[in-house]
Amino acid sequence: ETGVTQSPTHLIKTRGQQVTLRCSSQSGHNTVSWYQQALGQGPQFIFQYYREEENGRGNFPPRFSGLQFPNYSSELNVNALELDDSALYLCASSPSGRSGANVLTFGAGSRLTVL
Amino acid sequence: QKEVEQNSGPLSVPEGAIASLNCTYSDRGSQSFFWYRQYSGKSPELIMSIYSNGDKEDGRFTAQLNKASQYVSLLIRDSQPSDSATYLCAVHNAGNMLTFGGGTRLMVKP
Repeated sequence: ETGVTQSPTHLIKTRGQQVTLRCSSQSGHNTVSWYQQALGQGPQFIFQYYREEENGRGNFPPRFSGLQFPNYSSELNVNALELDDSALYLCASSPSGRSGANVLTFGAGSRLTVL
Repeated sequence: QKEVEQNSGPLSVPEGAIASLNCTYSDRGSQSFFWYRQYSGKSPELIMSIYSNGDKEDGRFTAQLNKASQYVSLLIRDSQPSDSATYLCAVHNAGNMLTFGGGTRLMVKP
């Protein structure tokens, strides 16, 4: 059974650029959530995807967007990068169903630095 | 704004002692509660979930939930240096989101 894999692990961008982060969910999981974790803080919910549709969104601007593909993998896109976007971006997958939907398995994360 | 509050610590306990980690939440309608452990530079990993008032035990870990007081706690018995990490409390809110607290850093001293 493979876990949640994310790529890239580290990347550096400059203000105004765009970035795409990728995530493959754990085998058997069809729900993917994305979180942003700034240094020294807890993860903050960006959005969740289920059956290729956005299924919940946190307090993030529209320049944060995502996709889920038929194989349940997902992408997070951030446009017009700002310095405050520097953070660890965590992808988490979970099984469907009421009891399992929030039992998250996290990937190792993508650390984004915006200069 | 639905909030989850934790003392940031660090909480320092000697090896073999009981570590007590606390969390309060603001959304009275919350139904599901989770504790995640995060080692430095790593991603969070689930250690406990609790859905009903009372205690839930799993090995050295006990989660306690009091919905009337909007309070969740995690007890770690016989603390080991390998338990040194940041512990994140998470609460399920509407909109399929988990709201995390800022985490409590636990240090277990040999």
